[in-house]
Amino acid sequence: AQKITQTQPGMFVQEKEAVTLDCTYDTSDQSYGLFWYKQPSSGEMIFLIYQGSYDEQNATEGRYSLNFQKARKSANLVISASQLGDSAMYFCAMREGLNTGGFKTIFGAGTRLFVKA
Amino acid sequence: SQTIHQWPATLVQPVGSPLSLECTVEGTSNPNLYWYRQAAGRGLQLLFYSVGIGQISSEVPQNLSASRPQDRQFILSSKKLLLSDSGFYLCACTPGRYGYTFGSGTRLTVV
Repeated sequence: AQKITQTQPGMFVQEKEAVTLDCTYDTSDQSYGLFWYKQPSSGEMIFLIYQGSYDEQNATEGRYSLNFQKARKSANLVISASQLGDSAMYFCAMREGLNTGGFKTIFGAGTRLFVKA
Repeated sequence: SQTIHQWPATLVQPVGSPLSLECTVEGTSNPNLYWYRQAAGRGLQLLFYSVGIGQISSEVPQNLSASRPQDRQFILSSKKLLLSDSGFYLCACTPGRYGYTFGSGTRLTVV
């Protein structure tokens, strides 16, 4: 069965420093997608970054980058130059295809990031 | 781009009462629709998904049901709420290749 593991329940980082949030996954599919979402205290879910299993280069979106190591089945999120507004819950997620068409996504337990001034 | 409207934002319901949460989508047609539940401080658990009108797949057997009466409408229901149904309910859609678009969520407290 597919599984997403985030082993860091909480992380602290100093403002303006970089931080890495860990994510490992388990799947038998050859084609899959990996995502990171941010959830502020308001509860909304914000899409951050996507990495396809066949993408050869690591995905980047502004201050976010995804360190994709396929052989190790890891997809760590790196946030550069942390800002106070980055304090939130972060979820790693993986997409799997459906026989009925489309796909569904499973989520990890999340990592709560605290950015210190 | 697509937008999801989800209501109500908060809801307090007594045990044994019925539930109906509605989600509507704008800006896309024939989306895949999903209901997730998030317990306090936890990750998201997929409850139901739908790839078309009247097509509902359940991921977790429980006290809830879902329906999709129209292409861009997704409803989560219960005949009798349990305390364990409390949580944050999120509707999501995927018309495209990448990540979900989420609604703003409904925080349900069963008392």
